[in-house]
Amino acid sequence: NAGVTQTPKFRILKIGQSMTLQCAQDMNHNYMYWYRQDPGMGLKLIYYSVGAGITDKGEVPNGYNVSRSTTEDFPLRLELAAPSQTSVYFCASSGTGGADTQYFGPGTRLTVL
Amino acid sequence: QKEVEQNSGPLSVPEGAIASLNCTYSDRGSQSFFWYRQYSGKSPELIMFIYSNGDKEDGRFTAQLNKASQYVSLLIRDSQPSDSATYLCAVTSGNKLVFGAGTILRVKS
Repeated sequence: NAGVTQTPKFRILKIGQSMTLQCAQDMNHNYMYWYRQDPGMGLKLIYYSVGAGITDKGEVPNGYNVSRSTTEDFPLRLELAAPSQTSVYFCASSGTGGADTQYFGPGTRLTVL
Repeated sequence: QKEVEQNSGPLSVPEGAIASLNCTYSDRGSQSFFWYRQYSGKSPELIMFIYSNGDKEDGRFTAQLNKASQYVSLLIRDSQPSDSATYLCAVTSGNKLVFGAGTILRVKS
C-alpha cells in the first residue's frame, strides 16, 4: 500500500496563477481532508469530504475549491494564488471520520511570489 | 471556534528523563483525543489516541485524559534524542479534528 500520496512535492506560483494539488489514497477510506500548516502553527482544515460526491468547508476555505468524484482522489484547487497561500499543504484520510486515525500524505510545499 | 491550546516550547529535557507535554481544549463535547508527532519537514504521524478518562500506556508513551478539566497530556519516559520533534495534540469536533499549534520537544544527549 502506498497510503496517501500527494503531488507535487514543491511548487512556486506567481500571484494570480492557479494550480491543482493532487491527493490520492489506496486504503479505501471514506473520509479525506486538506490542511494547511504555516510555520510554527498547527494544522488548519481547509476542506473535507465524507465520501465521493460530498464535500464541506473547514476552518479556512477561502481561495480554495475541492471535488471528490472517486473514493481514491481528492484534489485541491487554488484559484488566483495570493502570497497568503504560501504554506505546506497536507492531505489526510481516515476510515470512519473524526474518531478514527488520520493518515497523512508527505505534503506539498507551495510558495506564491 | 473550538480551540486546542498547547505550550509552544521548546521543552528541553536530558536524555533518559521524562518529558511531559500538555494540552487543553475548549469543546466539552469532544470524545476522542490524539497525539501526533511531526519531525521537521515531515508529515504528522499518530503516536497515541485516548477516549476514556485516565491513563493509557503504550511502550514509553502514556496519554492521560481528564475530561472534567478538559486536559490531555502525553508523558514520554526514558526520552531519547530521536524523540526530538513537534508534538501535536488533536481533539475531535464532529467528523473533524482540531489541532493545537504543537509543542517542540528537544532531547539533549
